[in-house]
Amino acid sequence: DVKVTQSSRYLVKRTGEKVFLECVQDMDHENMFWYRQDPGLGLRLIYFSYDVKMKEKGDIPEGYSVSREKKERFSLILESASTNQTSMYLCASSFSYLRGAGANVLTFGAGSRLTVL
Amino acid sequence: GNSVTQMEGPVTLSEEAFLTINCTYTATGYPSLFWYVQYPGEGLQLLLKATKADDKGSNKGFEATYRKETTSFHLEKGSVQVSDSAVYFCALTPYGGATNKLIFGTGTLLAVQP
Repeated sequence: DVKVTQSSRYLVKRTGEKVFLECVQDMDHENMFWYRQDPGLGLRLIYFSYDVKMKEKGDIPEGYSVSREKKERFSLILESASTNQTSMYLCASSFSYLRGAGANVLTFGAGSRLTVL
Repeated sequence: GNSVTQMEGPVTLSEEAFLTINCTYTATGYPSLFWYVQYPGEGLQLLLKATKADDKGSNKGFEATYRKETTSFHLEKGSVQVSDSAVYFCALTPYGGATNKLIFGTGTLLAVQP
């Protein structure tokens, strides 16, 4: 069964701490994404990557950075966590659009719920 | 720009009732349209999709038809079950998009009572 695995389901951090959220996929997908999910706001794209070492900002990149050193792994980094970053974070992956029909389906991980105190 | 608007929830239904969750979109050209479902404690999973006008996506008894003239992709099911209780997200991928970015609606919580 194909999977997107997020390393932590629940994290509690303090304001100012550096936070790493890890995501690994085993489907040989080119694209990887980090979304943030908040009640009433749906899912908002933070960053995405379409290849190793490549990244592009999504709609709400402020306060976040990402790293993609290997194809299967995409990390989200909060350099200095703040209370307004308390949220559910969802990682997803997909094939490149170059693979044609069916490539635009995203597979999601189970989510990481981060609380910043 | 591109956006998705879906009806606010929660939607509360009795088992075997008919379900409609409305979704309309704003986009140029011909986006691909999706419904994703999120069961309690889980990530999102694809429910169905449609990639061109008049296409009908279907899965697990759910259906949605891509209506270009009304820019809509409403989700329907003839007889809901308690196990359908979840949050449903309408989404689109912009036409010609090179990165498969999904733009989501805000989600609709469905609660089905026995």
